[in-house]
Amino acid sequence: NAGVTQTPKFQVLKTGQSMTLQCAQDMNHNSMYWYRQDPGMGLRLIYYSASEGTTDKGEVPNGYNVSRLNKREFSLRLESAAPSQTSVYFCASSQGGLYGYTFGSGTRLTVV
Amino acid sequence: SQELEQSPQSLIVQEGKNLTINCTSSKTLYGLYWYKQKYGEGLIFLMMLQKGGEEKSHEKITAKLDEKKQQSSLHITASQPSHAGIYLCGADGGRGSTLGRLYFGRGTQLTVWP
Repeated sequence: NAGVTQTPKFQVLKTGQSMTLQCAQDMNHNSMYWYRQDPGMGLRLIYYSASEGTTDKGEVPNGYNVSRLNKREFSLRLESAAPSQTSVYFCASSQGGLYGYTFGSGTRLTVV
Repeated sequence: SQELEQSPQSLIVQEGKNLTINCTSSKTLYGLYWYKQKYGEGLIFLMMLQKGGEEKSHEKITAKLDEKKQQSSLHITASQPSHAGIYLCGADGGRGSTLGRLYFGRGTQLTVWP
């Protein structure tokens, strides 16, 4: 009954360092998403993958890259972290269409 | 893109009081979702509304979508401390490639004091 699993839960990076946030779902969903949540800004879509093998930019893609490794896994990479990327990152998956999303518990990232 | 305005931004109520959170869209809503988030946790799906005039309830929470499908409300009856958290509305992107992409409001922070 895992749903969507994100790792790590917490991370502190120095400016310029790189890291990859991992996300895996076990619900056989086609679509996967990465959001960031900032105070007063709600959730903003970074990248999404409508199906295995495809990825598309969301509202705030700059500074990020993604990989849809297989149907289960969708990773988010920060190549050169900046303080502006300090945020809480959520991964989500969906069957697509008009079905809601299932969210992971989030990764709290601080860039110093 | 879909723009969603939530009001109020924050709400502090005494336990036992009723409250309403609103979500207004700049465009016709094809699917409207309500989520709840507790501090430090992920989002929990509450309800989804699709048809104009639709109303759904779960325990003490009722969500409605207006006939024009541009506004939704979330009503909590006899609030309890367990209702505290951030409530977010999300709207489906609608037709074509944005179908299935959810756009979110900025959230309403609810505090319930005993």
